[in-house]
Amino acid sequence: ELKVEQNPLFLSMQEGKNYTIYCNYSTTSDRLYWYRQDPGKSLESLFVLLSNGAVKQEGRLMASLDTKARLSTLHITAAVHDLSATYFCAVDEYGNKLVFGAGTILRVKS
Amino acid sequence: DTGVSQDPRHKITKRGQNVTFRCDPISEHNRLYWYRQTLGQGPEFLTYFQNEAQLEKSRLLSDRFSAERPKGSFSTLEIQRTEQGDSAMYLCASRGAWGEYEQYFGPGTRLTVT
Repeated sequence: ELKVEQNPLFLSMQEGKNYTIYCNYSTTSDRLYWYRQDPGKSLESLFVLLSNGAVKQEGRLMASLDTKARLSTLHITAAVHDLSATYFCAVDEYGNKLVFGAGTILRVKS
Repeated sequence: DTGVSQDPRHKITKRGQNVTFRCDPISEHNRLYWYRQTLGQGPEFLTYFQNEAQLEKSRLLSDRFSAERPKGSFSTLEIQRTEQGDSAMYLCASRGAWGEYEQYFGPGTRLTVT
């Protein structure tokens, strides 16, 4: 059974600082997704990573995928308050469904 | 392209009642997924359709749950004899044809069972 683990589960950051969220998964897969969720809202797609070594960047967020290590990272550069949300990684299992991690609650303090 | 829509957005029901939710996927998306999310958790897969065929169901989907996609367009998720443990956000997502990997999520239906 595919397991997806995120850490940390809660992250309190100072504005302007950098940090990384880690996503480990238990089986071979070359498709990994990052989503953002604001309180009471649905999921907003951030990145879709489709191959080993894939790196994507949007604004202050950069995601990467290492399929050999079964690890994806979401790096936050110079955090701002607007980035406060819950971030989920998810792994595509056989193209049929996404298996999600528990989420990382990010709070950016000014 | 108006995105994935779900109806209703909120539903409060008494234990033992039946409820039905509707999902309209993005036009021409042939794959449709249902997930359930409880407070503080990530979404959990419930079931998946390709066109009108229901191809996979999770063990989470007890016999009180049934989903349909009769014409390969919109889908319904019915919960019979609701229990308090069914209280959750029910999310629908759709995805395009083979080679398109992104799943687009709807706004969700929040169910509260009292």
